Amino acid sequence: NAGVTQTPKFRILKIGQSMTLQCTQDMNHNYMYWYRQDPGMGLKLIYYSVGAGITDKGEVPNGYNVSRSTTEDFPLRLELAAPSQTSVYFCASSYYFSDGYTFGSGTRLTVV
Amino acid sequence: AQSVTQPDIHITVSEGASLELRCNYSYGATPYLFWYVQSPGQGLQLLLKYFSGDTLVQGIKGFEAEFKRSQSSFNLRKPSVHWSDAAEYFCAAGGGADGLTFGKGTHLIIQP
Repeated sequence: NAGVTQTPKFRILKIGQSMTLQCTQDMNHNYMYWYRQDPGMGLKLIYYSVGAGITDKGEVPNGYNVSRSTTEDFPLRLELAAPSQTSVYFCASSYYFSDGYTFGSGTRLTVV
Repeated sequence: AQSVTQPDIHITVSEGASLELRCNYSYGATPYLFWYVQSPGQGLQLLLKYFSGDTLVQGIKGFEAEFKRSQSSFNLRKPSVHWSDAAEYFCAAGGGADGLTFGKGTHLIIQP
């Protein structure tokens, strides 16, 4: 049972480049979330999904996009990367929203 | 606005001593409450959660937390810490499918 798998683990982007952060879960969880973690700031919600085909914005969605075509996958797309998007990104999932989340191990992104 | 406050950025505790990490929340109604732990370079792991009922909840790794409605608090405790407990601890709260609000974290240092 792999849980929540995020790829890549590390990435360096140049300003203006685009990339997709991958997130896959094998637990048949309905709810999936993308958070970013900045030092001393806790975690901020970027986007979330309550099921395949349904996504919604979180607290800090600007500069990002998501899709949820299957229950398992919830990729996060960065368009026109900016230095402000330098962060650690975490994907998380849960079966019910009241359950605790299972987190992936994160993607450390640096935009230079 | 919903918020979670962890007043202590850093806490240093001697190995074998007791531990209490503070968490206060501000929500319209009693939210679901969680504590997570994050080891360096890792994702977050759920320690325990509170929904309703008994205000003292037990979690993994010997941790417990007490919900106090009158103080809007959900403090995490452990009777005797081990060096392996050194990590970042996050309190989180949520009321529905739109994700959890996280505190900024408390960094726990264990002195030998």
